[in-house]
Amino acid sequence: QVQVQQWGAGLLKPSETLSLTCAVHGGSLSVYYWSWIRQTPGKGLEFIGEINHSGSTNYNPSLRSRVTMSMDTSKNQLSLNLSSVTAADTAVYYCARKYRGYFFDYWGQGTLVTVSS
Amino acid sequence: FVLTQSPATLSLSPGERATLSCRASQSVNSYLAWYQQKPGQAPRLLIYDASNRATGIPARFSGSGSGTDFTLTISSLEPEDFAVYYCQHLTNWYTFGQGTRLEIK
Repeated sequence: QVQVQQWGAGLLKPSETLSLTCAVHGGSLSVYYWSWIRQTPGKGLEFIGEINHSGSTNYNPSLRSRVTMSMDTSKNQLSLNLSSVTAADTAVYYCARKYRGYFFDYWGQGTLVTVSS
Repeated sequence: FVLTQSPATLSLSPGERATLSCRASQSVNSYLAWYQQKPGQAPRLLIYDASNRATGIPARFSGSGSGTDFTLTISSLEPEDFAVYYCQHLTNWYTFGQGTRLEIK
């Protein structure tokens, strides 16, 4: 049974960099793309980007200039960095496994990130 | 590309049948997924490919449709089914619908 655990700083100031990590237990990072998705009351669920075990990434154009994703297959972990955050980046952030090319079958528990001065 | 869910809120009682709709702005064939989200929890995959239940999902959940019009049906509501439901497709960076809130009447 795949379990996904995530963590990271929950309170940031504007212009800082958001950093989150996701660990996968009971399964390998290989084969699949792993994604980051965020959720806000206003915009709903928004796909941020994805990464696979080869390091190939795809980022949502709306965030591409500020997003970096990485993966450490030896630790079965993936990471998200989002630079120059503003209040608009306040959201619950999830990591999730993409399956069959379009849906998400395993999710982390979510991390609330608040950006406030 | 837009996924439009209706109604925004559905008020029903336990034991009743729930019918939730998702309409795509262009055809998605059968590549549509449904999720359930409870407060403070991550979305949970219910249905993929429009009509296939994910692992461990009870049989009272069913999905139907193809092209642009899709339906999620809960045959007889249990207390734990009251939540927000989202549909989702691949196009335009994995678009999610805005959600239908299923609340207890």
